[in-house]
Amino acid sequence: DILLTQSPATLSLSPGERATLSCRTSRSISSYLVWYQQKTGQPPRLLIHSASHRASGIPARFSGSGSGTDFTLTISSLEPEDFAVYYCQHRNDWITFGQGTRLEIK
Amino acid sequence: VQLQESGPGLVKPSGTLSLTCAVTGGSISSENKWIWVRQSPEKGLEFIGEIDHSGLVFYNPSLESRVTMSVDKSNNLFSLRLSSVTAADTAVYFCAREAEAAVRLYYGVDIWGPGTTVTVSS
Repeated sequence: DILLTQSPATLSLSPGERATLSCRTSRSISSYLVWYQQKTGQPPRLLIHSASHRASGIPARFSGSGSGTDFTLTISSLEPEDFAVYYCQHRNDWITFGQGTRLEIK
Repeated sequence: VQLQESGPGLVKPSGTLSLTCAVTGGSISSENKWIWVRQSPEKGLEFIGEIDHSGLVFYNPSLESRVTMSVDKSNNLFSLRLSSVTAADTAVYFCAREAEAAVRLYYGVDIWGPGTTVTVSS
């Protein structure tokens, strides 16, 4: 299995600030990484695919970077609706998810 | 395309959990994979298995002995059965679509159902 480790577990920031979320994999996965946002009571929402490509309809303040084993999701200036839980995900033989980063209002 | 899960919200221990996912606005015969994911506070998001339009399946090895997935093309739906359930199988169950990959691109799981809560309890 390829393990995905997200950090930090919780990130406390204020609206307008920049958020940087990390996902590290146990071995190189090239750029085959996806990021999701999940709000309470909702399914995950696709944000970024192939490590750095924004999904359809996703605001430009969301960006993804990285390749190999280190990946980053950046939200350039937090809006109130961005406070949620974020997951990274990879597909090898099967789909695996990170444990999530909770982005909360400071 | 929209997905909608349906099935019992309560299953008895040692029983079988059965869920169906209706696909609307598109064909289940498209070149995508149809998947089941569950979420619990203990395990987070957990991949259960996948099936394609031809019925080819792959199951999470940790659940493989208890999982069966099937596709019903005539009714445009796919199904999940999980046998010998215990309290550890209590979770929100999502059906979803994994988009067809392209060269050097992986699009991820782009469409999700709203999820259905299944509780295992006597």
